[in-house]
Amino acid sequence: SQTIHQWPATLVQPVGSPLSLECTVEGTSNPNLYWYRQAAGRGLQLLFYSVGIGQISSEVPQNLSASRPQDRQFILSSKKLLLSDSGFYLCAWRSWGIETQYFGPGTRLLVL
Amino acid sequence: GESVGLHLPTLSVQEGDNSIINCAYSNSASDYFIWYKQESGKGPQFIIDIRSNMDKRQGQRVTVLLNKTVKHLSLQIAATQPGDSAVYFCAERPNDYKLSFGAGTTVTVRA
Repeated sequence: SQTIHQWPATLVQPVGSPLSLECTVEGTSNPNLYWYRQAAGRGLQLLFYSVGIGQISSEVPQNLSASRPQDRQFILSSKKLLLSDSGFYLCAWRSWGIETQYFGPGTRLLVL
Repeated sequence: GESVGLHLPTLSVQEGDNSIINCAYSNSASDYFIWYKQESGKGPQFIIDIRSNMDKRQGQRVTVLLNKTVKHLSLQIAATQPGDSAVYFCAERPNDYKLSFGAGTTVTVRA
């Protein structure tokens, strides 16, 4: 069966520090991968998606970037965090031929 | 932006009653819709989906209704239980790669 992992689960970082969040998927090949951000009490905002290794599509201009160095690994990064980067970051995957996106457990980021 | 919206941000329901959560979507080209349940501090969990060529689909204790004429989606939960307390999101698929989510409805089940 397929599983999705995200780490860390919680992160507290100072303003101006770098960020690296990791997402890995097991049990599937060549998935579509997604990064979402969820502000408190709000819906999900799509940040990036990837249809293959090295292919990244950005949905909104921001202080973040994404990379996909391996088929089942998706990384969200920042060189300098802003206060507004705080939120709940969710990774999701979807296999070709399956329409549903499945979400990971999320990383809660607090920028102080 | 968020093109999918929900009529009510909160819903309080008595345990054992049926719940109905509504959702309005904006993109008439969307061909696939999903309902997710999100418990506090966790990632959204798939509940049920429906394609645009259907108007009703049933799962275990849940039913999704789709009215394409008025671009409306609803989730019905039968015999609501305390474990159903969560935020419920609807999502539409305007193209093959992306989902667009609404702001969510918080469901609180009263004992």
